[in-house]
Amino acid sequence: DAGVIQSPRHEVTEMGQEVTLRCKPISGHDYLFWYRQTMMRGLELLIYFNNNVPIDDSGMPEDRFSAKMPNASFSTLKIQPSEPRDSAVYFCASSFLGGGWGYTFGSGTRLTVV
Amino acid sequence: TQLLEQSPQFLSIQEGENLTVYCNSSSVFSSLQWYRQEPGEGPVLLVTVVTGGEVKKLKRLTFQFGDARKDSSLHITAAQTGDTGLYLCAGGETGANNLFFGTGTRLTVIP
Repeated sequence: DAGVIQSPRHEVTEMGQEVTLRCKPISGHDYLFWYRQTMMRGLELLIYFNNNVPIDDSGMPEDRFSAKMPNASFSTLKIQPSEPRDSAVYFCASSFLGGGWGYTFGSGTRLTVV
Repeated sequence: TQLLEQSPQFLSIQEGENLTVYCNSSSVFSSLQWYRQEPGEGPVLLVTVVTGGEVKKLKRLTFQFGDARKDSSLHITAAQTGDTGLYLCAGGETGANNLFFGTGTRLTVIP
């Protein structure tokens, strides 16, 4: 298996633009998680899905953020409009049967909003 | 949000030395995991512990889960430069499917 695949690896965009981050989880994993990592706040959970259904989006900062999982092999995290404070590394992770036995993380998307 | 505090925040040691990293919380966790993250990559799972008092060894790394399942430690014997990275603990609460991550310990092993 190729692992969790995220794209793009790096994204630089201007304030106000729409940004879409993509994730392909490991085949057979039934949970998908989106995290954001910054030096100040560490790893923060944004939202997670179980069998393509959003379960907890309480970590999504505000209405500018949205996430979808149209099928078991694809998820997107969208920011519209983007702001400089959204600059961070965004990780997607997947797991089988929840977090109890560990996540497999993707390599992340480094987002810079200027 | 559950708080998992790790100490020390930064650690710089010589190759061959031993070290211990701590992960503490006021919450009880059903499982506790340790990850290592290298620059430009996502965290990679090292171990999962689920029983209070449990000790697991992975080559030169020894992981322990506290008796009350609120804390954990990671001990590295004879550190190598390849051990350099960000070490993260993560706790899972009973009945929950997501993990809370610790604040991280950034380890640098100097040759």
